[in-house]
Amino acid sequence: NAGVTQTPKFQVLKTGQSMTLQCAQDMNHEYMSWYRQDPGMGLRLIHYSVGAGITDQGEVPNGYNVSRSTTEDFPLRLLSAAPSQTSVYFCASRPAGGTQYFGPGTRLTVL
Amino acid sequence: GENVEQHPSTLSVQEGDSAVIKCTYSDSASNYFPWYKQELGKRPQLIIDIRSNVGEKKDQRIAVTLNKTAKHFSLHITETQPEDSAVYFCAASILGGSQGNLIFGKGTKLSVKP
Repeated sequence: NAGVTQTPKFQVLKTGQSMTLQCAQDMNHEYMSWYRQDPGMGLRLIHYSVGAGITDQGEVPNGYNVSRSTTEDFPLRLLSAAPSQTSVYFCASRPAGGTQYFGPGTRLTVL
Repeated sequence: GENVEQHPSTLSVQEGDSAVIKCTYSDSASNYFPWYKQELGKRPQLIIDIRSNVGEKKDQRIAVTLNKTAKHFSLHITETQPEDSAVYFCAASILGGSQGNLIFGKGTKLSVKP
């Protein structure tokens, strides 16, 4: 199993650009989520999904969209990038009642 | 919603000493409390977890204790080694519910001095 994979590893955007961060898991996990990590702020939940076709907002959802058309994939879309979205983004997945696994992260810089 | 507070934010110990990190949570319905270790530039990785039907759990040099009444849980690392240096995060969740999201504390940077 590859586990949780994320692409790209690094990305630089200009203010106002849009992009999609990709996340995939091959463990057939029901739950998937996106976090952002900023210095001193821990891991903050952006959006999550409890299954294909079901998504909901976390603590810091503004400026981000998600969709879950398949069990495996959970992309995160930045609609119009802002410098405040400079961060490290982690995707995670877990089975119902089980351990959560993180992807390797995407380091995003918005100029 | 759930809120998790973690203390201290930084902790420095001598090799061989013990380290304790404490967390409190707000939602009495939370029943799952994992601890993650994150080394510089890497992803968080689970080191130990505890469920609300257990008061204490040990795994070699690592232990976690849970006090449901006071809504706090702690990570204990004994005989610390330089490779224990990392950022540690606690989290709380409701397993089995419709959400089950992990809500994290802000982290503790542990430095173990040789």
